[in-house]
Amino acid sequence: GQQVMQIPQYQHVQEGEDFTTYCNSSTTLSNIQWYKQRPGGHPVFLIQLVKSGEVKKQKRLTFQFGEAKKNSSLHITATQTTDVGTYFCAGQSSDSWGKLQFGAGTQVVVTP
Amino acid sequence: EPEVTQTPSHQVTQMGQEVILRCVPISNHLYFYWYRQILGQKVEFLVSFYNNEISEKSEIFDDQFSVERPDGSNFTLKIRSTKLEDSAMYFCASSEFDSYGYTFGSGTRLTVV
Repeated sequence: GQQVMQIPQYQHVQEGEDFTTYCNSSTTLSNIQWYKQRPGGHPVFLIQLVKSGEVKKQKRLTFQFGEAKKNSSLHITATQTTDVGTYFCAGQSSDSWGKLQFGAGTQVVVTP
Repeated sequence: EPEVTQTPSHQVTQMGQEVILRCVPISNHLYFYWYRQILGQKVEFLVSFYNNEISEKSEIFDDQFSVERPDGSNFTLKIRSTKLEDSAMYFCASSEFDSYGYTFGSGTRLTVV
């Protein structure tokens, strides 16, 4: 079955630094979504990527969908303490209606 | 901003008991989902629901689980005979379009003792 893998599992970042989290699917995806979950909270939708090679930006966050639609990345520049949380990618395959397969998440800790 | 509401926030139940977790999705959303998250682990798909029927379900969603939309606003998840391994945070989610931009509820923490 479809597997979505995410690395790294943990990311310790100094405030002001940049970092990237990566997501890989075992199958070609119809779309990929990114969610953020604060400690003790629920996942909050950030963005969806649909097209091959698509790049979208939200302020300091840059999301990319690979050409083969099997991988994605999230890059955060100038990390702030408000970026603390776990970032999940979630992929949908074209033959799996109504089901998002979540990656294991990257837990981000920011030190001032 | 519209919210998905889940009740209760925390449920403790004895092994073998039935539990019903309740959700009120966003009113104009047509697609509904249940996911669960065991502490510190990833979010796992349970079931998707559209047009009053299950669209897809995972291997976790066995005969002990059922979903219902009893009155056009509530969306419930029933576990008939709970097991210790059912202990998890259960999230309800809804979306206006198929699998796009879920809005998650705050979750129900289910503890089976």
